[in-house]
Order: sequence, then structure tokens, then C-alpha cells
Amino acid sequence: QVQLVQSGSEVKKPGASVKVSCKASTDAFTTSGFGWVRQAPGQGLEWVGYISAYNGYTNYAQSLRGRVFMTTDTSTNTAYMELRSLRSDDTAVYYCATWFGTGYYRDWGQGTLLTVSS
Amino acid sequence: QSVLTQPPSVSAAPGQKVTISCSGSSSNIGSKYVSWYQHFPGTAPKLLIYDNDKRPSGIPDRFSASKSGTSATLGITGLQTGDEADYYCGTWDSTLSGYVFGTGTKVSV
Repeated sequence: QVQLVQSGSEVKKPGASVKVSCKASTDAFTTSGFGWVRQAPGQGLEWVGYISAYNGYTNYAQSLRGRVFMTTDTSTNTAYMELRSLRSDDTAVYYCATWFGTGYYRDWGQGTLLTVSS
Repeated sequence: QSVLTQPPSVSAAPGQKVTISCSGSSSNIGSKYVSWYQHFPGTAPKLLIYDNDKRPSGIPDRFSASKSGTSATLGITGLQTGDEADYYCGTWDSTLSGYVFGTGTKVSV
């Protein structure tokens, strides 16, 4: 199992950007990669995107393409998710998770609350 | 609106069994592996089932799952009050080229 520790809560104004980090306890790059999932207040889980641990390939949810960018730093076993041009409906808890190639998320971070408000 | 449809809620008495359905299509469940997650609000989701019917280590055999065609089912036997949570199915969708979660089902015991 891999422990994932995410950065703390953020409060941003509409139009701003945020970068959330997700640090793995071990070399989590033995997994296929990292995924990001969010849950808006009162809503279900929504897939945000994925980054490959092998080659940095990314795949983002259609609704967020152009605003979301994922990166990894193998030297620190850390994954990052940056969301730009924030809107109020981006307010949600964002989770990182380890992605396995047959299609599932095994280890999850504790979540990062992002609040977008003027 | 998710492409995977689940009942909003199911309930049963302690010790009983519940099943949760997850209905999709040929571009997702019909051709991809399904996983299931348990989510207590305010905490990290937990993987219950992967590759349609496999349990990660530490998940009790009270939790089981199956897949048939474009639908999948999660079963929970010997219900406990600690099982009260939201449950989501998930899989890859080849048309959307992305991962999709079901609409979620709240289990009440």
C-alpha cells in the first residue's frame, strides 16, 4: 500500500489558479500513475484526470481540458494538479489516488478542500 | 450526468443483504473492468472491488461483485451499521476517453 498525503485546504477567488500536491510515502511510480477525483458539495465523485508514471502522459476530463494540468516530480514522489481560471463550481474536495492499469484507483489521499469564492 | 446509473439509495436491516446495480453501455462496463468504492463523507474513498470481482487485501468477503453484459452488481451481506456509506462503481469509458464513476448509492442499515 502507498500512503498519499495531500496539501492543505485552499481558498481562491474566481479566475485564480491553484496547485494541489500529493506526496507518496514510497516510490509510488511502480503504479501506472496518479489520478485525481473531485467531489463537489452534495454531489458524487467526478473524475478529473490522470497522469502516467512512466512517461508523463496525461488524460483529462473533457469538461476540464484547457484548465487542468497534471505533473509529477519523481525525485520527491509527488504528483501535482493545477487548475486555472477557477470558477465557483470548481469548489470541491479534490482527491489524488494511485492508478492501476486495468482500471482502478487503489490508494487515496485524504483530500484537499478547494473553495472558490469572491 | 454520469453514464453509469446506480439506484440513489438502498436499505436493509442489520445482518441482511443488499445489492447495488450499476448500469452502463458497451463503451464502458460492456468492454472494461469495473471497480467499486466505499465512501464515507469527509474521508477518502476506499477501493472495495477491482477487476470486476476481486477484493483487495483487507476487504472482507461480505463484499462481492459481478458483471454481466453492460451491468455490474455489488453485494453486501451481513450488513453492519458501519457499512452505512455511499458506494460508487467506476470504469473506463472508451467513447469519453476517460474514467467514469456511477451516480452513487447511499446504503442505509
